[in-house]
Amino acid sequence: NAGVTQTPKFQVLKTGQSMTLQCAQDMNHEYMSWYRQDPGMGLRLIHYSVGAGITDQGEVPNGYNVSRSTTEDFPLRLLSAAPSQTSVYFCASSYSADSNYGYTFGSGTRLTVV
Amino acid sequence: QQQVKQSPQSLIVQKGGISIINCAYENTAFDYFPWYQQFPGKGPALLIAIRPDVSEKKEGRFTISFNKSAKQFSLHIMDSQPGDSATYFCAASDDRGSTLGRLYFGRGTQLTVWP
Repeated sequence: NAGVTQTPKFQVLKTGQSMTLQCAQDMNHEYMSWYRQDPGMGLRLIHYSVGAGITDQGEVPNGYNVSRSTTEDFPLRLLSAAPSQTSVYFCASSYSADSNYGYTFGSGTRLTVV
Repeated sequence: QQQVKQSPQSLIVQKGGISIINCAYENTAFDYFPWYQQFPGKGPALLIAIRPDVSEKKEGRFTISFNKSAKQFSLHIMDSQPGDSATYFCAASDDRGSTLGRLYFGRGTQLTVWP
């Protein structure tokens, strides 16, 4: 039982490049989400999904796209990387969207945009 | 607009002491208040959570105190240990409203417990 797996763990991008951060869970969780963590800013919600085929925007969605074609996977796409997107990205999942179940977080992807 | 305000930003406590971290919110629709613990290089992990129908919840050395009228809640760590040194995040969500699925985090408190 691997939990929430994020790849890659580290990535350096040049401004304007695109890339996809991968997130997979093997717990049959319906709810998945992406957060970014910046020093002194806490965790801010980028996008989330309450089930396969359903996604919605969080607090800071600009510059990011998501899709949820399967229950297991929830990739985050950076369309045209900018230095402001330098951050640590966390994927989280939960059995359902309501809060009766805590979130399980992945170990993060540290992204640097130069 | 920050939904959940957390203080202090950093906290240094001696081993055996009590660590107290405070959070405040404005949205009265929030009905779930968890605390997450994060060690360096790891993702956050759920520590303890409370709903507004109770004023206190205790799990081992960790206690959440909740004041609904003041819209504040706090985490107390009794008998703090060096292994408790981590970043702590409070959070809040509204399970019954249009923002179902959104968990709002405070900015975090870096706790250091000296041996």
